[in-house]
Amino acid sequence: DSGVTQTPKHLITATGQRVTLRCSPRSGDLSVYWYQQSLDQGLQFLIQYYNGEERAKGNILERFSAQQFPDLHSELNLSSLELGDSALYFCASTNIGGAYNEQFFGPGTRLTVL
Amino acid sequence: AQSVTQLDSQVPVFEEAPVELRCNYSSSVSVYLFWYVQYPNQGLQLLLKYLSGSTLVKGINGFEAEFNKSQTSFHLRKPSVHISDTAEYFCAVSLYNQGGKLIFGQGTELSVKP
Repeated sequence: DSGVTQTPKHLITATGQRVTLRCSPRSGDLSVYWYQQSLDQGLQFLIQYYNGEERAKGNILERFSAQQFPDLHSELNLSSLELGDSALYFCASTNIGGAYNEQFFGPGTRLTVL
Repeated sequence: AQSVTQLDSQVPVFEEAPVELRCNYSSSVSVYLFWYVQYPNQGLQLLLKYLSGSTLVKGINGFEAEFNKSQTSFHLRKPSVHISDTAEYFCAVSLYNQGGKLIFGQGTELSVKP
């Protein structure tokens, strides 16, 4: 158990809908990363937050947004969903978000868009 | 642009045999190197990392990796594998000056047969 929790574990929804994925980092970790894992794109970095502020952005679509709250949990919002958004979404956390730090991954949320 | 290439998508091997999973990277800036393992239906777990110093790095579960700067490689090895090592293995880099986002290879599926 990494100490990172993600809810829900599975999510099935229809095209055009909006969903919210939730991540609670390890106790004491200030930085949260979101990644998308799909069969065609592999594991891709989406976005990073540090202590409530956006720090880095990767290949995140405009239909996707995220935020980190004062209690340090983070949410990834996916809207106008398309079939291609079906994937496993991971969050990871580290204490200060340095490039040398080990990232601790949650179990993921599997999103299926029908 | 930075990239990570894992040269084998699948590696079948018999139990107690040695294994090497190959990883090459390309980057114009200094990087830190990581190997993560993903067991079925789980998140990623760090096996080992190279930050600096000795080019031979030892990790958990008997794995080790060697950093070769001239060949820009970071191959993962284990002298004797077990059935329980069956999993997907990901090589990743983080860039020295970019906050810790991980750039992953496509993954290598290690299948250990009895």
